[in-house]
Amino acid sequence: SYELTQPPSVSVAPGLTARIPCSGNKMGYNHVYWYQQKPGQAPVLVIYQDDKRPSGIPERFSGSNSGTTATLTISGTQAVDEADYHCQAWDSSAVVFGGGTKLTV
Amino acid sequence: QEQLVQSGAEVREPGASVKVSCKASGYTFTGYYIHWVRQAPGQGLEWMGWINPHSGATESAEKFQGWVTLTRDTTISTAFIQVSRLRRDDTAVYFCARGKNVVGEVASHLDPWGQGTLVTVSS
Repeated sequence: SYELTQPPSVSVAPGLTARIPCSGNKMGYNHVYWYQQKPGQAPVLVIYQDDKRPSGIPERFSGSNSGTTATLTISGTQAVDEADYHCQAWDSSAVVFGGGTKLTV
Repeated sequence: QEQLVQSGAEVREPGASVKVSCKASGYTFTGYYIHWVRQAPGQGLEWMGWINPHSGATESAEKFQGWVTLTRDTTISTAFIQVSRLRRDDTAVYFCARGKNVVGEVASHLDPWGQGTLVTVSS
């Protein structure tokens, strides 16, 4: 089955750039989606179709997808960005999630 | 606005069943897939399956086939997930989320999400 791999944790100092990778062997053939989840809350979509931001998501959030790795980038990271981040893709008609990455600011 | 509101927390004994509801508002319920995702304490997201509210067609992750049932009632714009033969490791927050419109392929993002329903399996 298709698996997506994320590091369990990433740390970044306030104001700097955070990069969260998501790797999978079909990454180049699939769109990737990213969700932010804060404690006790439901996930929120922050990036869709690799690099598109939904309305209301700050411009500091961006995404890319090339080869076997997709990356969520947060520029000028703020304390409010501290959360878990989950990548998601599709394997035929089934949804696949990465294991999630805890971002510490 | 478009939103999904789920039923409240449940406690069940091992071996029992539970049914969680997800009521849609602010959009045409039959026009978009509904997905179910669960999250065990301290763990990541686990996709369980989707239902096409228009046709009633479903697809479930292989792990859940045979003991998870996805249904919907279009008259009240509500989707349901029933989990049978509960085990302690089924303790989790169960989320519903809206998927793509039902025209064409199913692949897309999940947005918005319901607030989650905590199901606790304990004797």
